[in-house]
Amino acid sequence: SQELEQSPQSLIVQEGKNLTINCTSSKTLYGLYWYKQKYGEGLIFLMMLQKGGEEKSHEKITAKLDEKKQQSSLHITASQPSHAGIYLCGADFNPSQGGSEKLVFGKGTKLTVNP
Amino acid sequence: GAVVSQHPSRVICKSGTSVKIECRSLDFQATTMFWYRQFPKKSLMLMATSNEGSKATYEQGVEKDKFLINHASLTLSTLTVTSAHPEDSSFYICSALTSQETQYFGPGTRLLVL
Repeated sequence: SQELEQSPQSLIVQEGKNLTINCTSSKTLYGLYWYKQKYGEGLIFLMMLQKGGEEKSHEKITAKLDEKKQQSSLHITASQPSHAGIYLCGADFNPSQGGSEKLVFGKGTKLTVNP
Repeated sequence: GAVVSQHPSRVICKSGTSVKIECRSLDFQATTMFWYRQFPKKSLMLMATSNEGSKATYEQGVEKDKFLINHASLTLSTLTVTSAHPEDSSFYICSALTSQETQYFGPGTRLLVL
């Protein structure tokens, strides 16, 4: 079963509208990463959240991690065509501070912003 | 879903030696593959874009002579870490892009340089 559920799978919005993408886990998240993929390109790191209730912003994009550390939402305010792409969340389920552990990824949300 | 494999899954080598990591798309052809590096408890860092039949495109700050990428076929890209040093120890992850622009990730290769 998928450890990380991302929704919606795709989203089409009009330029200027706000939107939210969700990333939900049944297990505690010890690190939640948001990435953006422009079509045909590699992932671009947006933000990392680690603490329950944490909120970070990057330009017009805000991401939050809930208090229980099982859900994160990515919110885009006043969307623009430049926001179009695929948004991917990645999760670290390992509570230990050391060592490398592979991230688990959601399936991505394809965002289209119509001018 | 599409499957991407990486080999080896784990490698330990001595400082100064070179290590080759393979990334294969098992059930689809990938014109484009990406190589990432993940540091402990940190995010993925895109190293380079591997294009079949042409030279890889490296991200700023990534030494192309140190991290050699070859994308010889539509299902195989290789990353060779040349003259590896302990600071190269990391988790290297590849991904392959389908024709529908979906990116599938390999399971990663953990490199430890002694």
